Amino acid sequence: KNQVEQSPQSLIILEGKNCTLQCNYTVSPFSNLRWYKQDTGRGPVSLTIMTFSENTKSNGRYTATLDADTKQSSLHITASQLSDSASYICVVTGAGSYQLTFGKGTKLSVIP
Amino acid sequence: GAVVSQHPSRVICKSGTSVKIECRSLDFQATTMFWYRQFPKKSLMLMATSNEGSKATYEQGVEKDKFLINHASLTLSTLTVTSAHPEDSSFYICSAYPLTSGSYNEQFFGPGTRLTVL
Repeated sequence: KNQVEQSPQSLIILEGKNCTLQCNYTVSPFSNLRWYKQDTGRGPVSLTIMTFSENTKSNGRYTATLDADTKQSSLHITASQLSDSASYICVVTGAGSYQLTFGKGTKLSVIP
Repeated sequence: GAVVSQHPSRVICKSGTSVKIECRSLDFQATTMFWYRQFPKKSLMLMATSNEGSKATYEQGVEKDKFLINHASLTLSTLTVTSAHPEDSSFYICSAYPLTSGSYNEQFFGPGTRLTVL
């Protein structure tokens, strides 16, 4: 069964600090992995997307890594801001499929 | 580019009424759109896949007579919640898969519609 597991479930950090969110998946065959940011009451917004041949992808203060061998990904946020408070969702697409397998998300709270 | 809109953003209705939610791809054509439902503090749950000009494909456990989907054009899909009940209250999100998606097969999400049934 295709699954995406994220950790931690929730995280509280001080403004200005860095943090790393984890994602493990069992989706096979693999097409791509995306990280989304979802603010409360809003739709998900894409941060990064990587295929199996890409090990890292950056988008401003967000850097995602992918190890297709171990089926693990991480999202690193540097110099966190209050506006980073949101849920971060890891989503994996299988090869030859439109359908997405969603992780349950990590709820990040950045406090002053 | 790649903007998806939803209308309305919020709707409150009485139990027993029907509610229509629109999903539009504003700057691209989409042969396939998806409808998701999200409960508080939960991840998105796929309800159905909508293909332009054909019947929608519903996920197991989703009542097709309850959630009517129409994908009449390459830029518009609608979800109608018929005879809504309080348990249908949820956050509904659509996504669109562009006709020419490039190498990433990326879907683009709408901002969501909050439905509250009294």
